[in-house]
Parts: sequence; structure tokens; C-alpha cells
Amino acid sequence: EVQLVESGGGLIQPGGSLRLSCAASGFTVSSNYMTWVRQAPGKGLEWVSVIYRGGTPYYADSVKGRFTISRDNSNNTLYLQMNSLRTEDTAVYFCAYSSGYASIDYWGQGTLVTVSS
Amino acid sequence: DIQMTQSPSSLSASVGDRVTITCRASQSISTYLNWYQQKPGKAPKLLIYDASSLQSGVPSRFSGSGSGTDFTLTISSLQPEDFATYYCQQSYSTPYAFGQGTKLEIK
Repeated sequence: EVQLVESGGGLIQPGGSLRLSCAASGFTVSSNYMTWVRQAPGKGLEWVSVIYRGGTPYYADSVKGRFTISRDNSNNTLYLQMNSLRTEDTAVYFCAYSSGYASIDYWGQGTLVTVSS
Repeated sequence: DIQMTQSPSSLSASVGDRVTITCRASQSISTYLNWYQQKPGKAPKLLIYDASSLQSGVPSRFSGSGSGTDFTLTISSLQPEDFATYYCQQSYSTPYAFGQGTKLEIK
């Protein structure tokens, strides 16, 4: 059974850094696309970043240069390193897996990141 | 970057109604279009991929159509559990943008 469990969210001051983790089970994180999607309170879904099977990452313009997606195959874990955090980064962050092409068929429960002074 | 626009933003309907939600891409995306359903406090759920392919386990009252820039999600006969927010997403090129969502409410 595929499972994704995010952790690492919390309250952080503007300008700070945070690393989110997503522990995967039931598949290997290097087997296909892994994605981060976020949702600000009361707002819609925002695509944040993807890492392809070969390791190539892509980012939304809103986080480019500040966020880094990575994976640890030995721990079967996906990460999102978030630097220079802004109040507008406040959101629930979902880790997600695509078993096919790029449609997302498995999602974690989400972890809340609050950026506030 | 490709922009995705959904309409309407909200919709009131009754159980048993047929409902259609539209999604328009700012440029052609072939059939690289996905639909998700999200209920409050929950992660999204994949309903349709590749514009018209029904995800395993999703009821057949959900269907998708379209290609190029214009797409639709249709629910043939609304059930109580279908009241939720629906999002389209393009998977043609990064960034894989979502539409702004359509909130389906009970009339």
C-alpha cells in the first residue's frame, strides 16, 4: 500500500528556513515523479515543485531560488528545503506521487507551515 | 507558463442534477489535463487523467472530455458525497499549474 507521511511543518519567522520531509512506503521515491503542492488557508491548490525519476527538479516561479526539492533513496524520503521564507509561503504543504505520467494519484495528509513574526 | 482558468468559480446544484465544469488552458496542452476533487481538510483525489481517463475506483458518473485548450468535467447525476471543490491541472509542461477551483455546493 502506498503511503506518504509529511513532517517538519511549524511556525517560522519571515526570512527563516525549514525543511519538510515526506516518508514514503509501498514504492520507491526514485521510481517516478514526486511533487510538492501547497494550499494557503482558504485558497486553491498551488503546484510548487517536481523531481523527475532521473533527478531533474523544476520549480514554480514563486519559489525558484528559495526552495530545493531532493530525495534520499536510501531512506525513501522526499524533502523540500525552504529558505528565505515569506508570509505568503504560509500554507499546508502536500507531498504527492505520480505512478503514471504526471497526474498525481497519491497524496500525503499535508503539513502546515506558518510564516509569521 | 501555461495558465489554467476554470468556470464557474462556484456552483449550486441539487442531488440528481447533471453538472458541467469547464477548464481552459492559455495554450494547447493536447490531452494532458487532470481533474481532482477536494473535500475540506482532506488531500485532493484524482478523478480523471489524460482529459478523459477515469481513475481506478472513481464512479462512472464522473467523465471528462476535451483536447487542446478546452476541457470539461461532467457529473451525470450528483450524489451527496460529490459536493466538494474541483480542480483541473495541466501536466503538459512545467510548472504544472492548477486551475483556481470550482466549489460545488448544495442548492
